[in-house]
Formats: sequence, C-alpha cells, structure tokens
Amino acid sequence: RKEVEQDPGPFNVPEGATVAFNCTYSNSASQSFFWYRQDCRKEPKLLMSVYSSGNEDGRFTAQLNRASQYISLLIRDSKLSDSATYLCVAVHGSSNTGKLIFGQGTTLQVKP
Amino acid sequence: EADIYQTPRYLVIGTGKKITLECSQTMGHDKMYWYQQDPGMELHLIHYSYGVNSTEKGDLSSESTVSRIRTEHFPLTLESARPSHTSQYLCASSEARQGRANYGYTFGSGTRLTVV
Repeated sequence: RKEVEQDPGPFNVPEGATVAFNCTYSNSASQSFFWYRQDCRKEPKLLMSVYSSGNEDGRFTAQLNRASQYISLLIRDSKLSDSATYLCVAVHGSSNTGKLIFGQGTTLQVKP
Repeated sequence: EADIYQTPRYLVIGTGKKITLECSQTMGHDKMYWYQQDPGMELHLIHYSYGVNSTEKGDLSSESTVSRIRTEHFPLTLESARPSHTSQYLCASSEARQGRANYGYTFGSGTRLTVV
C-alpha cells in the first residue's frame, strides 16, 4: 500500500465548476501536509499548506481530517489555468528532519 | 527567476557512461533532496542532505551517489549509466526550521535523463 494515495483521475470539469480532490495517508505519525501543483513536464510548486483547522487561499480550500487520515483540496470557480496535476504530500518526521512523501497526483483538466 | 538550478535540462547518454547531474541553490538552505519521477508517477526520494558533509539514502533504492561539500551545491553522480536509469531527476531544497511545520520545498526544473 502506498503511503499517500490519490485518485489519479483525470477529472474533466467545465470552467466555473467546483471540484474536490481527496487524498489518504497511511502513517498516523505524519505531522504536516501540503498540496503541490505540477504542470506537464514541469517541476512541482507549492500550492498551499494544510492545517487541521482548514485553510483557504482565494478559490482554494484545504482540509485535514486526522481521525480518518485524509486531506482534501477544493477548487471553486475553476479556470482553464487550473489544469494541472495536484500532488498530495505528507511529512514524515520532525520539523527539522522531516521528509516529504508525495502521492501520485490527481490530474485536473478544465474545459472551456 | 529560479533560486535553484539544475543542469543539464536534458541529457541523452550511452550505457556505461559516468554522469553527474548538477544542482545549486542560492537561498542558503540547509536541506537538499533528490527525487526521481517517471512519467505519470509519484516522486520518489533517492537522496537527501541536512547540511554540509551530511548525506543519506532515501526511500527508493538508487545506484547513484551524492556529495555535499558546499551548502549551495548537491550533485548526483551515476558511475555507470544504464537504460533503467532513464527518468526525470528533480532537486529540491528547504530551510531547516526549528519548531516550524511549514517548510515547503523549492524544486529545480529537473533533468530529463535518457540512457540509450
């Protein structure tokens, strides 16, 4: 079983739609979580951190459910430029020595 | 404007050759990492370093080696390239922050390696 699991998709949605991705992690000791965005043939870039209380950045909302060990990302009012692969990331270890463990990614395609 | 640089961007090389993939960062980050990613697949950690003269193997077994003689430089070397080494190699860095949970990585643009 993979340590971080995501539905690879692709999720095909029209512009303006709201789309949600879920991700599960197996290591209950994981302390921190992130969502990264990776465009085709490009490097991953940090999208947002995920906090237990939930956090929002513009059209993007991230949630963490520690009891069920899953993380979610909600994108409202989807734009064509949101088309990318979204990587769920869990951190193993302490804040000084933690290593990022990446999920396979969920591909989003926003259509006009 | 990138703060972490990888060269070369693309490399096609014959089996048995020795190669070094370069990674440099200008942010003064203590922690640096090498990930390997095949198309459509997840990133796998192959090496990491928490500072000068510190190197560790990652979660994915790799025949490559790394060195960290200077803070800003973390090269990866393959002594004898094989077709199975064909992949994308991504270098990343982050700050070591005592007590901070938010320590996202900055990635380089990657090196696409093809061994023929």
